[in-house]
Amino acid sequence: QSALTQPASVSGSPGQSITIPCTGTSSDVGSYNLVSWYQNHPGKAPKLMIYEGSKRPSGVSDRFSGSKSGNMASLTISGLQAEDEADYYCCSYADNRIVVFGGGTKLTVL
Amino acid sequence: QVQLQESGPGLVKPSQTLSLTCTVSGGSISSYGYHWSWIRQHPGKGLEWIGYIYYSGSTYYNPSLKSRVTISVDASKNQFSLKLSSVTAADTAVYYCAREKGYSFDLWGRGTLVTVSS
Repeated sequence: QSALTQPASVSGSPGQSITIPCTGTSSDVGSYNLVSWYQNHPGKAPKLMIYEGSKRPSGVSDRFSGSKSGNMASLTISGLQAEDEADYYCCSYADNRIVVFGGGTKLTVL
Repeated sequence: QVQLQESGPGLVKPSQTLSLTCTVSGGSISSYGYHWSWIRQHPGKGLEWIGYIYYSGSTYYNPSLKSRVTISVDASKNQFSLKLSSVTAADTAVYYCAREKGYSFDLWGRGTLVTVSS
């Protein structure tokens, strides 16, 4: 099972919106609404930001939103803030009850 | 609240078996609907799912690691464990234990660095 595909980096200015795409296949993203997104600050444990494609856990800002179209999922962060600078990973359930992660995207807030 | 804590040797010799334990506190590992997982992150790299276990003992592993991985659970101690055999330098990573429900990981341990070196 191959990793999901994410851009290595994205950037945006404070207050702007950015979108991070995550491309999978019909064996994972395309077939299941079970994509999750994680924020990972260096030296810290990853934090769940989005689950089941578009749901936010309690305590996660509504500036974070998720969506899916076909084999591609996306994470959108609106009203960028300095503390949003981190690595972001997508993750999906895949056939045969396994889990695959994306390679990660480094978000830089300019 | 529920917390997870990894423990185990930080240094393992090549060809030996890496062994880690995750202790669940503040809640029961037998809670319905949760899988208990291991995930690793190579230095400067992305996340890699290793596998997970249900409290009943059902396991699912990353196909790329399946031949070397064993995940087990000890409900009486509220712990689950990872064994990775025949390690090489490529297994050097931060290892996280995590709680999974609905194929998302909502709770993570702080992670433990395991270095494979002679």
